[in-house]
Amino acid sequence: LAKTTQPISMDSYEGQEVNITCSHNNIATNDYITWYQQFPSQGPRFIIQGYKTKVTNEVASLFIPADRKSSTLSLPRVSLSDTAVYYCLVGDRYNQGGKLIFGQGTELSVKP
Amino acid sequence: DGGITQSPKYLFRKEGQNVTLSCEQNLNHDAMYWYRQDPGQGLRLIYYSQIVNDFQKGDIAEGYSVSREKKESFPLTVTSAQKNPTAFYLCASLGDLNSPLHFGNGTRLTVT
Repeated sequence: LAKTTQPISMDSYEGQEVNITCSHNNIATNDYITWYQQFPSQGPRFIIQGYKTKVTNEVASLFIPADRKSSTLSLPRVSLSDTAVYYCLVGDRYNQGGKLIFGQGTELSVKP
Repeated sequence: DGGITQSPKYLFRKEGQNVTLSCEQNLNHDAMYWYRQDPGQGLRLIYYSQIVNDFQKGDIAEGYSVSREKKESFPLTVTSAQKNPTAFYLCASLGDLNSPLHFGNGTRLTVT
């Protein structure tokens, strides 16, 4: 199982771009990378998912280098409401429902 | 609306009592998960189930038990053997290949 490592916390200001990097050195060939956002006392919610290169949706971008040993979640022009904990999760794309282990997450604080 | 329902939102119990947390999903997902979250910490995997009538231990299964008699239901029992049961409990389900985890809104258990 791929272990993930993220910075414990990050600070930013409104309107800035925020990049959160997750390290997953022992990622396996079949593993995909998913990012979640969690607000206090709520369940995490899906942000973005990818396998390689770059993925973009309406809220974020995900950059995955060729060796796939890390991934970077990019949040463009953050607002106060983006203050939350962000988790990256690495899972086997062909083993539906396998063991899914979260890391410690990154607590993002956005200031005015 | 499809989703995951955890009930109740808050639960209070006396030490030494077993308590069962409910998790129901109407997403027709095969896999379901239970995580525990302590203040300021990440999510830790308690149990998971990939199909009906089958489940596996996660990283912190001691003091907990589960059942999976129906596809839509995955109740978690916190037994008196769990030394520090006070925590926020999250249930999740997983559907198609490469789909993300869907989380419920959690149950906050307080044992005194």
